[in-house]
Amino acid sequence: EIVLTQSPGTLSLSPGERATLSCRASQSVSSSYLAWYQQKPGQAPRLLIYGASSRATGIPDRFSGSGSGTDFTLTISRLEPEDFAVYYCQQYGSSPETFGQGTKVEIK
Amino acid sequence: QLQLQESGPGLVKPSETLSLTCTVSGGSISSSSYYWGWIRQPPGKGLEWIGSIIYSGSTFYNPSLMSRVTISVDTSKNQFSLKLSSVTAADTAVYYCARKNTMIVDYWGQGTLVTVSS
Repeated sequence: EIVLTQSPGTLSLSPGERATLSCRASQSVSSSYLAWYQQKPGQAPRLLIYGASSRATGIPDRFSGSGSGTDFTLTISRLEPEDFAVYYCQQYGSSPETFGQGTKVEIK
Repeated sequence: QLQLQESGPGLVKPSETLSLTCTVSGGSISSSSYYWGWIRQPPGKGLEWIGSIIYSGSTFYNPSLMSRVTISVDTSKNQFSLKLSSVTAADTAVYYCARKNTMIVDYWGQGTLVTVSS
């Protein structure tokens, strides 16, 4: 199975700053079938990005995804207070689908 | 608006079978466009894909759980279900049901905590 490694584990930033989250795959993710989810405490994850770079419906344009092959990035251009949460990447191109261990974006 | 709601016991004894049902409202489960799946999250940990099913009954399971998992669908009730046998404390988790739309999980249930304990 494809192992996804997210870094850093925790990102301490202030509102208005830029956040850059990394997701590295143990082997190439086919057709850039890579998604990003946001999860807040006590809630289900919410789809942000699919196909490595396509924003899901209703997602603000401060969220952007990039990358291909084994290296992917989620960028939040300017952090809003509601963006402090845990972010997971997921590959869905190979079975079984797998998730990264998450990056927590916390208020500095 | 599509909604998914998990239901089932919150406490299961070790070695027994965990059984959960997901009721879908606001849309039909009988569509060839969607798969319906289960994902779990142990407390304070990451997400693990369990498996998925389409309305016709075709299933895909995570190999790590395949020997213990059964996912089924009941189109007449617009529901799908999860059974996980021979549970241990390691199966304690929040269990989410979800919809896959062209391979992407776009809708999630709110999740239900299942604790394995005697």
